[in-house]
Amino acid sequence: GQNIDQPTEMTATEGAIVQINCTYQTSGFNGLFWYQQHAGEAPTFLSYNVLDGLEEKGRFSSFLSRSKGYSYLLLKELQMKDSASYLCAVRLQAGTALIFGKGTTLSVSS
Amino acid sequence: EAGVAQSPRYKIIEKRQSVAFWCNPISGHATLYWYQQILGQGPKLLIQFQNNGVVDDSQLPKDRFSAERLKGVDSTLKIQPAKLEDSAVYLCASSLVAGSSYEQYFGPGTRLTVT
Repeated sequence: GQNIDQPTEMTATEGAIVQINCTYQTSGFNGLFWYQQHAGEAPTFLSYNVLDGLEEKGRFSSFLSRSKGYSYLLLKELQMKDSASYLCAVRLQAGTALIFGKGTTLSVSS
Repeated sequence: EAGVAQSPRYKIIEKRQSVAFWCNPISGHATLYWYQQILGQGPKLLIQFQNNGVVDDSQLPKDRFSAERLKGVDSTLKIQPAKLEDSAVYLCASSLVAGSSYEQYFGPGTRLTVT
């Protein structure tokens, strides 16, 4: 079976930096996605990695190591609105849907 | 650009009843997905369409779930009869081209409660 692991919960304070890790063991790999999901809302796309390395997009960065089956999402200058669930997802092959982890609930406090 | 539309937003039914959900993807998006998200878990694919053809329905409980995408645009997902464990949010998503780096765009979801 496919396995995607993320921590269940994390807490941080406003202005801080937080790193959310994701490890995967899958039968194939064609890209790793990070989505943000606020309570009661739809997931929204944050980042996509298919090659090793760091992708930076504003306050958010995502890193991928395919040999280690590992990714992380880095959130800088945390704001209260960043309190949400962060979903790590893997696409096994081109043309297929995503397989999601259970998500990490991030709580940002002042 | 209008996003993915879904209706209804909420539905409460009793077990053994039937229910249908509707999805209208972003204009021009050939690929449409239905996901089931149980509370505290990530979305799980139920079915994937490419235009009006089924690409993957391996995780669709076909004894009670059915889906169609007539004319390659709108889609409906039906459950008949519903069970308690079907209580979940049903998310519809679409993408421009399957398999590219293009992300999937999700609709607001339909929250189903089966009592």
